[in-house]
Formats: sequence, structure tokens, C-alpha cells
Amino acid sequence: AQSVTQLGSHVSVSEGALVLLRCNYSSSVPPYLFWYVQYPNQGLQLLLKYTSAATLVKGINGFEAEFKKSETSFHLTKPSAHMSDAAEYFCAVSANSNYQLIWGAGTKLIIKP
Amino acid sequence: NAGVTQTPKFQVLKTGQSMTLQCAQDMNHNSMYWYRQDPGMGLRLIYYSASEGTTDKGEVPNGYNVSRLNKREFSLRLESAAPSQTSVYFCASSEFRSLLNTEAFFGQGTRLTVV
Repeated sequence: AQSVTQLGSHVSVSEGALVLLRCNYSSSVPPYLFWYVQYPNQGLQLLLKYTSAATLVKGINGFEAEFKKSETSFHLTKPSAHMSDAAEYFCAVSANSNYQLIWGAGTKLIIKP
Repeated sequence: NAGVTQTPKFQVLKTGQSMTLQCAQDMNHNSMYWYRQDPGMGLRLIYYSASEGTTDKGEVPNGYNVSRLNKREFSLRLESAAPSQTSVYFCASSEFRSLLNTEAFFGQGTRLTVV
């Protein structure tokens, strides 16, 4: 069965610092992996996805994620945090059936001025 | 362009009361979903509708019913609310059934408290 673990329910970084949000997955088949973002008082929106093409995936707003099969990880990074990046970030992996997604618990990113 | 609209945004119910959460999308999407989000847990799929006229159970369907009224609208009903149903509910839609190949668009959520 597929599962997703996001390390850290809250991550705090200073403005301008590196952002690193961790996601580890388990999957019995080659996975599709996703990052979604939820800004305050808004619905979730797709940030980026991995679908077995390039292992380094670029998303919106300067975010990128690298698929590492050996580490079963799909961590999200951004070189320099901006105040507008404050949001909750969700990692998800493709489920085996029904073409649905298995979601992580989310990581709230806090940006300190 | 409104996208996915959920109503209401907030609701407090007493145990045993019933209510319907409404969801409408204006993107002509075929598939629609209802999720719940609980603290420390990921989104869990309650029901989905792959296309107009069809509905299927997700991971946590007990205590809920759904209606795909037409292509635009997908409602979620709690017949007899329980405190365990206190949660944030999200409606979503996508062009196709498979979320592997299409993006899901989410509403802003409904925060439901059952006392």
C-alpha cells in the first residue's frame, strides 16, 4: 500500500533563507508524486508533480522538488524564502487503484521577517 | 472565473442534526470529489464522482451520502451528524477521473463543528 510521510508539521525559516520541506513515500509501484499548496483562506492548488520523466521537477513560484528513488523521497525546496510563501504544503503519492492520491498530513511553512 | 465554490464556509451542528454541503464548479470538469481534512492527517477521500451520473465510495464514506446533481454540482449530506465528523471538508474537481494526469482544483473548504 502507498503512504506519505511529511516530516514536521511546522517549519519556520527566515525571509531569504533556504526552504526545505521533507516528504518520504512508500509505494509498491513506480509512483507519481505531487506537491500542493494551500494559501490562507484558499483551496489547495498544484505546485508541481513528478510523473517518471525528469527527476528534478520545477514548479510555480520558484519551487522545485527532486525525486530520489534510493531514498524514497520527494523533498520540496526553494533557494530563497519570500513572505508570500507562507502557506501549508501537502505531498501526495498516487494510489494503486482508482487513480486517486494518498495525501501527507501537511507542513505549515512560517516565514520570519 | 469562480472555479470551485463551496457553501457554507462555516457551520456548527448539534449531534443528530442533518445538513448538506454544496459544491459547484464552472470549469466543465467531469470528475468531482469530497475530502475531509483532520489535524495531523492528510486529506481523506469520502466520495467521488468520476462523471455525471456516477458516484463511488472513497476511503471514509460511512456517515455520508452524495448526489451528483448535474455536471456542475456535487453535494455531500450528513444525515445524522456526529462529533467524529467535525472536520474541514474540501470539494475538488478535475477534467478527468485520473488525478495522475490532470490537476485537481479545490474549493476553499467548509469548517464543520459538531457539538
